Formats: sequence, C-alpha cells, structure tokens
Amino acid sequence: GDSVTQMEGPVTLSEEAFLTINCTYTATGYPSLFWYVQYPGEGLQLLLKATKADDKGSNKGFEATYRKETTSFHLEKGSVQVSDSAVYFCALKDTGGFKTIFGAGTRLFVKA
Amino acid sequence: ETGVTQSPTHLIKTRGQQVTLRCSSQSGHNTVSWYQQALGQGPQFIFQYYREEENGRGNFPPRFSGLQFPNYSSELNVNALELDDSALYLCASRRTGDNSPLHFGNGTRLTVT
Repeated sequence: GDSVTQMEGPVTLSEEAFLTINCTYTATGYPSLFWYVQYPGEGLQLLLKATKADDKGSNKGFEATYRKETTSFHLEKGSVQVSDSAVYFCALKDTGGFKTIFGAGTRLFVKA
Repeated sequence: ETGVTQSPTHLIKTRGQQVTLRCSSQSGHNTVSWYQQALGQGPQFIFQYYREEENGRGNFPPRFSGLQFPNYSSELNVNALELDDSALYLCASRRTGDNSPLHFGNGTRLTVT
C-alpha cells in the first residue's frame, strides 16, 4: 500500500542554518504531496503542497519539489528561525482516494 | 472564518467504557475525517464522512464508529475501550476536491486506564 517515510528526528540546528528534512513516498497512482507542521500546543496545519511532478510548493521560506523520478518531496529552508521549532509531517493523498497518509514526523529544534 | 473545533480537549476513561468525541467542521467544509495519533507517531486515518455517510475507512475495528450531521459537525464513538486506544484524536475537515488540504482541530487527548 501507499506509504511515506521521513527522516528520523530530532533535528537540532542553530538559528540561520540550512534545513533539509528528507521525505520519500510509495504510491501506485499519482498522489498529491503535502508538508504539515505542528507547532507546540497547536493543531496540525498545512505548510505547503504540490499536486503534480516537478511542482514546487513554498510557504514561509520553506520549499519542497515533487520529484517523481526519485519519489521524493524533501523540505528545505535556507535560514531557520527559533520560531520554526515544531514537528514536520510529510503526507500524501492519492488521486481519487479518501485518506491522507502521514509519515511519522520529524521534530525540529532551533537554538538561538 | 471559524476553524475546526473539538471537544473535550482531554478525557480519561477506564478500559471497557465507551467514549464520544465531538468536532465542528470549518465553515464551508463538507467532508470530515478522523485520525488517531499515538505519541511520537504520525496521524493514522480512521474514517471519512461526506454527506452524512461514511465513504472511506482505515484499518480500525468496528468498535470505532462515527456520525456526521446535516451541519457537517461530526462525532467519533469508540466502544469497549482498550489501553492501546490512548492517543490524540484529530478531526479534520476539507472542501471536496482531490487537492483540498485538511484543516485540523487541536485534538482530544484520550487516556484509557
């Protein structure tokens, strides 16, 4: 079945460092891909999405490119801030499907 | 625009009991789904409701059931609670359409003792 694998955390970075969180997926169809973020004490919220191959999703300085050839959707940010400390979830939804499948999440700590 | 709201925020139950969790969808959203998130894990899909009918289900036993009401609010019912049911239960709503993202509530933390 469809699945999402993302790098284990926690990831600890200093402020202004470059961030990459790896995500790969397995899907039989042509899924839409998402990154959701869960800030401390808050619910999950959409960070960015991409709906077809080679699409780049971006928001709040974060970017991820839908790579069909490597079945990947890695999350990147050029310069992280303390306020980016959160848990990040990679997810997919298959076209015509009814469920969104999530990875296990990657916790990010950013130190001042 | 009112977001997704869930109640209660925390709940403690005893093994074998039954529990009902409630969710109000975001305005304009007609599809609601429920997820179970164990500690340190990603959310796992329980089921989805559209037009008051269940139209998709994950790998959860029948003792997990739900309802969607005409105003698109929803309930999750769990019978015969087990210790492993302890988790954060998330409600999410969205508009119809394949690429519509989920809008989550803050969840209900259920502890089964």
